[in-house]
Amino acid sequence: DQQVKQNSPSLSVQEGRISILNCDYTNSMFDYFLWYKKYPAEGPTFLISISSIKDKNEDGRFTVFLNKSAKHLSLHIVPSQPGDSAVYFCAASVISNTGKLIFGQGTTLQVKP
Amino acid sequence: DTAVSQTPKYLVTQMGNDKSIKCEQNLGHDTMYWYKQDSKKFLKIMFSYNNKELIINETVPNRFSPKSPDKAHLNLHINSLELGDSAVYFCASSQDGLIPEAFFGQGTRLTVV
Repeated sequence: DQQVKQNSPSLSVQEGRISILNCDYTNSMFDYFLWYKKYPAEGPTFLISISSIKDKNEDGRFTVFLNKSAKHLSLHIVPSQPGDSAVYFCAASVISNTGKLIFGQGTTLQVKP
Repeated sequence: DTAVSQTPKYLVTQMGNDKSIKCEQNLGHDTMYWYKQDSKKFLKIMFSYNNKELIINETVPNRFSPKSPDKAHLNLHINSLELGDSAVYFCASSQDGLIPEAFFGQGTRLTVV
């Protein structure tokens, strides 16, 4: 049972344009969401997070939007840069002492110069 | 200085062998994890340790045994390796279980032949 889904395996955008990566979840108990970026042969790198008490969080070029009623979150990257090309993982958590993260299957973003 | 380091990066071994993967973090975090990324690229939690105490054991076969000698180290020992154990194993740490932002190591690609 996949509780976190990223339905687009890949996305290609032009440099300078907006990249929008989407993520859906099924477990209404999730109260914290994160985005990770992963380059080949490296570990995932934390990008940005959002608590369920918010609907938006912004950090530089990265903005995460949360729609709890739709159980949907998205990551916006503006403007996209070639160095953003990587696999992006959405993750969800129920805040507890375990720190357990449930990951989506990832979306490969290619930013073309 | 690498924040979360794991060794080795690559491990090729025969079925039936026993192997260990080591992990160390220098972030002063209390919680450490092992995640497994399978051939379909799903990242799934295996174990979570908080201050050397096992918090999560996610239906992992008994052949997998984590060991935490201190809160900066979490090693993974695997007995009687099977072909299906081939995967990339990631160590991670977070400040504590209540703060889910985890920092990942570079991963260990285990290939069982």
